Amino acid sequence: DVKVTQSSRYLVKRTGEKVFLECVQDMDHENMFWYRQDPGLGLRLIYFSYDVKMKEKGDIPEGYSVSREKKERFSLILESASTNQTSMYLCASSSYLSNQPQHFGDGTRLSIL
Amino acid sequence: AQTVTQSQPEMSVQEAETVTLSCTYDTSESDYYLFWYKQPPSRQMILVIRQEAYKQQNATENRFSVNFQKAAKSFSLKISDSQLGDAAMYFCAYRRRETSGSRLTFGEGTQLTVNP
Repeated sequence: DVKVTQSSRYLVKRTGEKVFLECVQDMDHENMFWYRQDPGLGLRLIYFSYDVKMKEKGDIPEGYSVSREKKERFSLILESASTNQTSMYLCASSSYLSNQPQHFGDGTRLSIL
Repeated sequence: AQTVTQSQPEMSVQEAETVTLSCTYDTSESDYYLFWYKQPPSRQMILVIRQEAYKQQNATENRFSVNFQKAAKSFSLKISDSQLGDAAMYFCAYRRRETSGSRLTFGEGTQLTVNP
């Protein structure tokens, strides 16, 4: 079974802090994704990566950056956290084949105070 | 840009009954994939069913089936013999057919309650 592991289930940070959310997958997937989930808005794509050191902006990249130094790890960075970034963050991975599903982690509920 | 719309924020069904969740999408592509994901209170997103747009036959997975109407751009999910464990948020998602970086576009979600 594919395992996508997010480093924290719950995280509380303060406004202005630099925040790192980590995601690791164990299936040698090429693609990795970071989503943000808010009530009534579904999942919105922040950034994705289809190869090591490659990244592409999603629909809501403002205020975020990402890092993919190794194939199995994809990090989401909030450079200076703000209260409007309080949300659920989901990481996913998939193979390069577009007919294959994405596999998700358990999510990180991030609160910015 | 592709959009996915789920017009039912909440639905409820009696245990053992059948329920249908609606999803519509907008795309100019002719070849793509559609998915239904389930997110129970445990929060992990689980793939329920997948449909390839070039296949006319509706996908089925045990108690879950879809009604795929390509011309109408409609992709509804039918859950038969509903069980308490089916209670979850359900998301419809669209994915283009491309070779790399293929991203999902999600609908807003439908919260399904199953009443005993």
